[in-house]
Amino acid sequence: EVQLVESGGGLVQPGRSLKLSCVASGFTFSNYGMNWIRQAPGKGLEWVAYISSGSSYIYYAETVKGRFTISRDNAKNTLYLQMTSLRSEDTALYYCARRRERVFDYWGQGVMVTVSS
Amino acid sequence: DIQMTQSPASLSASLEEIVTITCQASQDIGNWLSWYQQKPGKSPQLLIYGATSLADGVPSRFSGSRSGTQYSLKISRLQVEDIGIYYCLQAYSAPYTFGAGTKLELK
Repeated sequence: EVQLVESGGGLVQPGRSLKLSCVASGFTFSNYGMNWIRQAPGKGLEWVAYISSGSSYIYYAETVKGRFTISRDNAKNTLYLQMTSLRSEDTALYYCARRRERVFDYWGQGVMVTVSS
Repeated sequence: DIQMTQSPASLSASLEEIVTITCQASQDIGNWLSWYQQKPGKSPQLLIYGATSLADGVPSRFSGSRSGTQYSLKISRLQVEDIGIYYCLQAYSAPYTFGAGTKLELK
């Protein structure tokens, strides 16, 4: 059974940093590209970042480019999102999702990030 | 960047009614369009991929179609468990983009 479990969220002050993790199980993690998607309270889905299976290709949404860094450790079956210079508008539920042939076929349960003083 | 214009924003329908949601892509994305259902307090779940293919375990009352750059999700006979928010996604070209969502409610 495919499972994606996010962690690392919490309350953080504006301008500070936070690192999210997503541990994958039930599939060969190193064979799949992975994404981070977020959802602000009461709002729709916003794609944040993508990393290919071997980390050769990385893409970001303009809203986070230069502040967020996506990475992965295939030996640990773990996806990361390093978030710096956090702003109130980064407050959201952050999901990791597996990408299979340009489809996000499995999603985690999400982890909440709240940016507030 | 590719924009996905989804409509309607909200929809109220009766049980057994036919429901259609559409997404218009701002440029050609081929069949690289997928649909997701999000129930309250839950993660989004894949319904349709490749514009027309049903994901595993999804009831056959759901179907997807494409006409040029317009994509549609159809629920042939609305059931109580279909209530939620529906999103389209283009992952053809980064930055990947979701439609704004359609909130489906029971009349």
